Amino acid sequence: KNQVEQSPQSLIILEGKNCTLQCNYTVSPFSNLRWYKQDTGRGPVSLTIMTFSENTKSNGRYTATLDADTKQSSLHITASQLSDSASYICVVSADGNNRLAFGKGNQVVVIP
Amino acid sequence: GAVVSQHPSWVICKSGTSVKIECRSLDFQATTMFWYRQFPKQSLMLMATSNEGSKATYEQGVEKDKFLINHASLTLSTLTVTSAHPEDSSFYICSARKQGDEQYFGPGTRLTVT
Repeated sequence: KNQVEQSPQSLIILEGKNCTLQCNYTVSPFSNLRWYKQDTGRGPVSLTIMTFSENTKSNGRYTATLDADTKQSSLHITASQLSDSASYICVVSADGNNRLAFGKGNQVVVIP
Repeated sequence: GAVVSQHPSWVICKSGTSVKIECRSLDFQATTMFWYRQFPKQSLMLMATSNEGSKATYEQGVEKDKFLINHASLTLSTLTVTSAHPEDSSFYICSARKQGDEQYFGPGTRLTVT
């Protein structure tokens, strides 16, 4: 069973609208949680990184939240743009930065 | 800073041949490099971890004689897929990490074996 589960698997949203992606994890102990954006055919690009003591982190129109007690995180995209179409991957680390647990990603398609 | 490149970005090879993929950290020295494989709509799967100057550590189920990893310098690691078969067709992504820092991912290499 995957240690990082993401939902929804995919979604389509209208340009300009907001959306929220969910990530639940079972990784323990917990070191940090990252959200990445992966465009089709490209490598992942880091959006946010949060440690145990942080419960929110923003990067432009992207805002991530973390509840370490319930082991849940979310990524909120505000005022979506066509360029936001990508897979958003939740990645959890137990030991700092070596071994990472990857979710399968939330596939987001923004339509005009 | 923290840029990682891969070469080539895509490659097509015939079954039975070998292909080499390079991973370079352009603006930092990477003490550790990682190789991942990603199938469509799947998570990145760690194949191996390599430290400069030492043998790579392979994940369970990854054949070390098929996927040869060389980490000859602090800025370069190579992955050679030997005797490639169609089932080796995948997206290969490397990442590089300097001491105490996070992993930085390369842009990936699309391998197609015909």
